[in-house]
Amino acid sequence: SAVISQKPSRDICQRGTSLTIQCQVDSQVTMMFWYRQQPGQSLTLIATANQGSEATYESGFVIDKFPISRPNLTFSTLTVSNMSPEDSSIYLCSVVEGMGHQPQHFGDGTRLSIL
Amino acid sequence: QKEVEQNSGPLSVPEGAIASLNCTYSDRVSQSFFWYRQYSGKSPELIMSIYSNGDKEDGRFTAQLNKASQYVSLLIRDSQPSDSATYLCAVNMRGSSYKLIFGSGTRLLVRP
Repeated sequence: SAVISQKPSRDICQRGTSLTIQCQVDSQVTMMFWYRQQPGQSLTLIATANQGSEATYESGFVIDKFPISRPNLTFSTLTVSNMSPEDSSIYLCSVVEGMGHQPQHFGDGTRLSIL
Repeated sequence: QKEVEQNSGPLSVPEGAIASLNCTYSDRVSQSFFWYRQYSGKSPELIMSIYSNGDKEDGRFTAQLNKASQYVSLLIRDSQPSDSATYLCAVNMRGSSYKLIFGSGTRLLVRP
């Protein structure tokens, strides 16, 4: 399966700042997603990163807070804007290769702490 | 009712035993079912995918799907301490072949 590189792997940020997380795949993929996993919780889908167009956000997530880019079929970024301690979480990129009912594969995640 | 439900555990089994993990889902039209393993501090890793009713075996792992009863299970035979992890059940969202809803996960502890 595709090799997914996510960076940074972790960061500690100040309240009110923004951080951009990158997800790079070594081959073209059909779909790219961004998830949040809060401490002790399961995964919550933030949005689907659409190549060349605006991302599709899930209920409770908005573009102003989590702007997403996907300029091509191998790369996407997620920005966490105007961060607060509640944004402390693990952020995960996932990809789908091929068509149809294919599984998602995850990057190693970004562990984000907000002071 | 949660869309994908799992017992949070922990499920504790002795080494060598069979661990049985269960998951129920609410959407009758779901078509894709996945089990992921997540070690503490790591990202989820795909273990099994299943799409049709019945059993699917891969090494020590067997996934079982019963669409009529809306449940999917994962059996781990000859459990090893290295199997100790959180197991996440995921089901495709209504109207999407790709988007998944994850259960809260079951923590498995295999005692040496």
